[in-house]
Amino acid sequence: SQTIHQWPATLVQPVGSPLSLECTVEGTSNPNLYWYRQAAGRGLQLLFYSVGIGQISSEVPQNLSASRPQDRQFILSSKKLLLSDSGFYLCAWTISSGNTIYFGEGSWLTVV
Amino acid sequence: GDSVTQMEGPVTLSEEAFLTINCTYTATGYPSLFWYVQYPGEGLQLLLKATKADDKGSNKGFEATYRKETTSFHLEKGSVQVSDSAVYFCALGPGNNNDMRFGAGTRLTVKP
Repeated sequence: SQTIHQWPATLVQPVGSPLSLECTVEGTSNPNLYWYRQAAGRGLQLLFYSVGIGQISSEVPQNLSASRPQDRQFILSSKKLLLSDSGFYLCAWTISSGNTIYFGEGSWLTVV
Repeated sequence: GDSVTQMEGPVTLSEEAFLTINCTYTATGYPSLFWYVQYPGEGLQLLLKATKADDKGSNKGFEATYRKETTSFHLEKGSVQVSDSAVYFCALGPGNNNDMRFGAGTRLTVKP
């Protein structure tokens, strides 16, 4: 069966520090991968999606970036965090021909 | 573009009360419709889905019927429990990149 994991689960970072959130999917090949953000009390915002290795599309311009160095690995990064980057980040995957998205456990980021 | 509008919360109910969370959508074509649930501190889990008009999705006592004529997918449960306290998201998909459009989420609190 397929599983998705992301880490770290919680992170407290000072303003201006870098960020790296990692996500891996197991049990499938060539998944579509996504990063969503859920700000406090708000809905889900799609940040990035990837349909293959090295292929990244951004939905929202900001100081975050994403990379996909391997088929089942998706990384969310920032060189300098802002206070407004605080939130709950969710990695997700779907098979290319499917229509159900499956989410990781989420990562809480607090920028102080 | 495709979008989802769901009932704003928070919703507070007593145990064993009847639950309805409204969801309406706007879409071109014939999307699939989903309800996801997010328990405190966790990622999103698929609760139920319906892939075509008049389909009824059901799981854990929750039900939702895909109504094309009213473009709705309301979530219902006949008797809620304290353990149902969570945030519920209505979603439609797949989009152009197999992603989904989510509603803003409705927080449900069930009191004993």
